[in-house]
Amino acid sequence: DAKTTQPPSMDCAEGRAANLPCNHSTISGNEYVYWYRQIHSQGPQYIIHGLKNNETNEMASLIITEDRKSSTLILPHATLRDTAVYYCIVRDGGNKLVFGAGTILRVKS
Amino acid sequence: DGGITQSPKYLFRKEGQNVTLSCEQNLNHDAMYWYRQDPGQGLRLIYYSQIVNDFQKGDIAEGYSVSREKKESFPLTVTSAQKNPTAFYLCASSDRTGGVVAKNIQYFGAGTRLSVL
Repeated sequence: DAKTTQPPSMDCAEGRAANLPCNHSTISGNEYVYWYRQIHSQGPQYIIHGLKNNETNEMASLIITEDRKSSTLILPHATLRDTAVYYCIVRDGGNKLVFGAGTILRVKS
Repeated sequence: DGGITQSPKYLFRKEGQNVTLSCEQNLNHDAMYWYRQDPGQGLRLIYYSQIVNDFQKGDIAEGYSVSREKKESFPLTVTSAQKNPTAFYLCASSDRTGGVVAKNIQYFGAGTRLSVL
């Protein structure tokens, strides 16, 4: 079972920041938080991951709370092409990514 | 370009037929994975392989088989024993997993959509 909880859907205006929340209250010390997204009928695309510090790359920023029980993925300037299902995944040393239902992000003009 | 190539993009299976889905990667990754995705749901792990000539069952291995004779290739066979094979199949690869700290990123192919005739 997925170890994360995400809202089923969110809307965002084009050009605005999209903030996608994720709860992972049972996360343990050595488990990373990963974010992937999946555009319809394509393979999932890796976005970002982190352990305890906030992370930023060319796609997004990841903010992890100090107690590590929740995190937020930030797309700073959402475009229509960012419309997708976003998955938050907590991964331990195992070999599989356990995908939950994710959040459908709809970016609207 | 480096990446993961899955073929074919669409595949149709007749009753009682085995079909094989291809997955090739040129990322020099040790580990490869097969996932199944049903409509509106997340991905479920079928099989994975951490090294050539070795593979392990995932959560839903029944009715599937794999081989890993080469580092770059990890074909999946959907056998006639899989009674509900219609789904979107995704292959992924990563550097070898292991150790306590898990930070290996899995990269995915574009997928194969399998339907039953």
